[in-house]
Amino acid sequence: GQQLNQSPQSMFIQEGEDVSMNCTSSSIFNTWLWYKQDPGEGPVLLIALYKAGELTSNGRLTAQFGITRKDSFLNISASIPSDVGIYFCARRDDKIIFGKGTRLHILP
Amino acid sequence: DGGITQSPKYLFRKEGQNVTLSCEQNLNHDAMYWYRQDPGQGLRLIYYSQIVNDFQKGDIAEGYSVSREKKESFPLTVTSAQKNPTAFYLCATSDWNTEAFFGQGTRLTVV
Repeated sequence: GQQLNQSPQSMFIQEGEDVSMNCTSSSIFNTWLWYKQDPGEGPVLLIALYKAGELTSNGRLTAQFGITRKDSFLNISASIPSDVGIYFCARRDDKIIFGKGTRLHILP
Repeated sequence: DGGITQSPKYLFRKEGQNVTLSCEQNLNHDAMYWYRQDPGQGLRLIYYSQIVNDFQKGDIAEGYSVSREKKESFPLTVTSAQKNPTAFYLCATSDWNTEAFFGQGTRLTVV
């Protein structure tokens, strides 16, 4: 299947730090999606992007759809303990394919 | 996820037995999907259906089967041909060309 490369694979940060993760694809897509998954739960949609260059915020989260339509990034500002989890990017055509996720850890 | 019900949340089966996982939705979404999640592997697509009575294989369909007889339901059968069935299974739904919403998942353990 077509590949999504999500990085970094994991992050260890201090509470209050900003976080940045990204996703790249070898192909062009019309939709980028960002999800967060808590342990033992289904992923929850954070932000959906439908247009190249689109920059969208949801509280402390900001995501952008790259102008080449092959990449997207997600930023989290001023991280808090409940931000811990796995963040997935996904791209959509006739089906929805996910990256392998970025695992966010917050150090005590 | 309030409109997507996966049951049961935990399922134990003996090796060699077929098992069917349930996914029901009341969101009136056309498309439904099944994903498998293993540690460190992200979500891998097993099967998806864009309309009733039609479905397509995803990236890891071998050892699985599905049906889509009703818009609301998309059950997944894990057959004895699936070599490593122990995993977390996630069902999702979407309207055409929009974002997907997930159920709470079923954790299948084969003993």
